[in-house]
Amino acid sequence: AQSVTQLDSQVPVFEEAPVELRCNYSSSVSVYLFWYVQYPNQGLQLLLKYLSGSTLVKGINGFEAEFNKSQTSFHLRKPSVHISDTAEYFCAVNSGNTPLVFGKGTRLSVIA
Amino acid sequence: DAGVTQSPTHLIKTRGQQVTLRCSPKSGHDTVSWYQQALGQGPQFIFQYYEEEERQRGNFPDRFSGHQFPNYSSELNVNALLLGDSALYLCASSLPLGGPSSYEQYFGPGTRLTVT
Repeated sequence: AQSVTQLDSQVPVFEEAPVELRCNYSSSVSVYLFWYVQYPNQGLQLLLKYLSGSTLVKGINGFEAEFNKSQTSFHLRKPSVHISDTAEYFCAVNSGNTPLVFGKGTRLSVIA
Repeated sequence: DAGVTQSPTHLIKTRGQQVTLRCSPKSGHDTVSWYQQALGQGPQFIFQYYEEEERQRGNFPDRFSGHQFPNYSSELNVNALLLGDSALYLCASSLPLGGPSSYEQYFGPGTRLTVT
């Protein structure tokens, strides 16, 4: 079985500061990794994905993530956050055409 | 190009009632998955439909059932509603099964179900 652990339930950060949201996964098979963002009262929007190739993945809105197979991690980073980045962020994993398994989410709060 | 659409947006039901939620996948997608997101939690997989058949199912009771139509749209039905069924129900669609392009799922805005 697969599982995802998002190590921080809440992350407050000042505007224009860098941020890292941590994600660790557990799986006995090859994985594909995703980060989704959810704004209040909305569905999930894909930020970025790792399917294969380069372990550094760039996504929308200036976010990037690095797949680290030895540490089973897929941490999300942004060098300078904006107020509009305030949202819930979910890390998810699957093994191809299998259901996505999500973490419990990290609430990012950007402070002016 | 319309993305994944869901209806209704919000729904209030009473315990014991039945509810039907609807989903239209993104154009070109033939696989539909349903997830339940309780307040403060990540989404949990309910089931997936492909070629009008339930292909995979998560750990949900038989009160949760679904259907996929020939145009790939889908319905989620929940019978004998419980207070604990109150959640955001998300529909996701994906490309035809095959290579890595089919591993990514696109989500709709969700249906907020409140059971009183």
